[in-house]
Amino acid sequence: KNQVEQSPQSLIILEGKNCTLQCNYTVSPFSNLRWYKQDTGRGPVSLTIMTFSENTKSNGRYTATLDADTKQSSLHITASQLSDSASYICVVSNRGSYIPTFGRGTSLIVHP
Amino acid sequence: DADVTQTPRNRITKTGKRIMLECSQTKGHDRMYWYRQDPGLGLRLIYYSFDVKDINKGEISDGYSVSRQAQAKFSLSLESAIPNQTALYFCATSDMTDGQYFGPGTRLLVL
Repeated sequence: KNQVEQSPQSLIILEGKNCTLQCNYTVSPFSNLRWYKQDTGRGPVSLTIMTFSENTKSNGRYTATLDADTKQSSLHITASQLSDSASYICVVSNRGSYIPTFGRGTSLIVHP
Repeated sequence: DADVTQTPRNRITKTGKRIMLECSQTKGHDRMYWYRQDPGLGLRLIYYSFDVKDINKGEISDGYSVSRQAQAKFSLSLESAIPNQTALYFCATSDMTDGQYFGPGTRLLVL
């Protein structure tokens, strides 16, 4: 069964600090992995997409990594800001299906 | 204008009532999806459609039905609402190469 597990479930950090969110998956055959940011009460918005051959991708202060061998991904946030407070969702798609598998998300709170 | 719109944004209804949630998109995507989100459970797929004549059940389709009226429109119906259908509902669209684009969500409360 395709599964996506995220950790930690929640995280609280101080403004300006860095943090890393983790995603492990069992989706096969792998097509791509996306990280989404979901602000409270809003729809998720894509931050990054990574395919099998990519092992790192950045979007401003967000850097995603992918290890296709161990089926792990991470999202690193640098110099956190209050606006980074949100849920971050890891989503993995498999080849041949256009139904992605969602993780439950990591809730990040950035305190001033 | 937003690429994916949902109406209504908020809805309160009573047990047993039939309600419809509507979704429209301007991205020209063929694929459309309905999800529900509950605290701690993440997004779960209710129904999806890959073109106007295609309707498929997701993992939690019981108690729901959908209609794909046109490429740009995909509506979700609750035939007889019950309290455990209280949730945040999202519509999403995608094409073959792009990721999913989500609407702003509909917050539904069933009393």
